Amino acid sequence: GEDVEQSLFLSVREGDSSVINCTYTDSSSTYLYWYKQEPGAGLQLLTYIFSNMDMKQDQRLTVLLNKKDKHLSLRIADTQTGDSAIYFCAESWDGSARQLTFGSGTQLTVLP
Amino acid sequence: SQTIHQWPATLVQPVGSPLSLECTVEGTSNPNLYWYRQAAGRGLQLLFYSVGIGQISSEVPQNLSASRPQDRQFILSSKKLLLSDSGFYLCAWSQIGAGSPEQYFGPGTRLTVT
Repeated sequence: GEDVEQSLFLSVREGDSSVINCTYTDSSSTYLYWYKQEPGAGLQLLTYIFSNMDMKQDQRLTVLLNKKDKHLSLRIADTQTGDSAIYFCAESWDGSARQLTFGSGTQLTVLP
Repeated sequence: SQTIHQWPATLVQPVGSPLSLECTVEGTSNPNLYWYRQAAGRGLQLLFYSVGIGQISSEVPQNLSASRPQDRQFILSSKKLLLSDSGFYLCAWSQIGAGSPEQYFGPGTRLTVT
């Protein structure tokens, strides 16, 4: 079955860049997503990338996809304290139901 | 714009009691609907999804069931809760069709079974 893995914790200094990594096993993945979850809240969709793309940039966020290695990363430039949250990587294939398979999340802590 | 609602926000129920969690979506029609459970603040597990009224697919055998009585309403139920049913339950929706891969989540329901 599908498997999505992430490291559990990441700490960075305010103003530095954060890089959160994710690996997946399903070679038929069509879309890969990054979600953000703040304490006690639902998941906020940050961005997604289609599997035929290598990179996608959206303001401070840059997503890199290495399809050969099945590796996805999210770079947050100029990390702020408000970026502290759990970040989830997810993948889906292009079926009608489009179920997501999630990683276990990376807790990002931004230090002042 | 589309919005997704879940209620209640929090719930404390004794073991053996019934459960009904509701999710509604506004501003779209014929969405895919999903129920996820998040345990211990981490990984999300897909419980059920629905591609239309009365069409429910279960991903994991368990003590829970789901129903979709209306196009934009998704209900998660149990006849008798177990301690292991405690968790954070998230409803989500997506638009059917290629070119719309986004999946949006509701605010969640925190369930504690005592």
